Amino acid sequence: GESVGLHLPTLSVQEGDNSIINCAYSNSASDYFIWYKQESGKGPQFIIDIRSNMDKRQGQRVTVLLNKTVKHLSLQIAATQPGDSAVYFCAENIAGGSYIPTFGRGTSLIVHP
Amino acid sequence: DAGVTQSPTHLIKTRGQQVTLRCSPKSGHDTVSWYQQALGQGPQFIFQYYEEEERQRGNFPDRFSGHQFPNYSSELNVNALLLGDSALYLCASSFGAQGASNYGYTFGSGTRLTVV
Repeated sequence: GESVGLHLPTLSVQEGDNSIINCAYSNSASDYFIWYKQESGKGPQFIIDIRSNMDKRQGQRVTVLLNKTVKHLSLQIAATQPGDSAVYFCAENIAGGSYIPTFGRGTSLIVHP
Repeated sequence: DAGVTQSPTHLIKTRGQQVTLRCSPKSGHDTVSWYQQALGQGPQFIFQYYEEEERQRGNFPDRFSGHQFPNYSSELNVNALLLGDSALYLCASSFGAQGASNYGYTFGSGTRLTVV
């Protein structure tokens, strides 16, 4: 289930389950949204992105959904594997400038074998 | 092809001291951005360097300064260190003309700074 810890929200799932990580953004001027994965001791790694003129985009085992009405973004991971255990961040980029992502708080995903 | 390299990987400094962190961008990249990531938080943008000039800056005090060299590598300097400066400092490199896109935007593994 999903719980809010002292520092990071945490999502614990069993291997093979589907995972859904949610994110709320605040800036209506953002037109580009990105999901990053950060493993321990490493920098953030790009997973998937979506522009504001879309509401869904699929990659390999991952899907991003965008609901601009309620400023909500989600990342769905199919058939979650232990290697998916990491902290996941959503990020937004404001229209009109160069790419400088603004990161959200992050969710820790723990996959149990 | 080496990605973004940062040095040192770990550093311990005392309050009031100054520190310099270094970043070498990925081959072919000419833009360097610096981020501060406190424990349990997302990375926060400090500033971005392009053509040896600071192009954009986040909400950080003047104690944070930087430099970009002709070979595109960059340094982050922090003066008068505070306990609250303890964090993971990340560098990201990109190609300046890529526009507002994640394409090629690559993070290093960071420098863990501890201020005691």
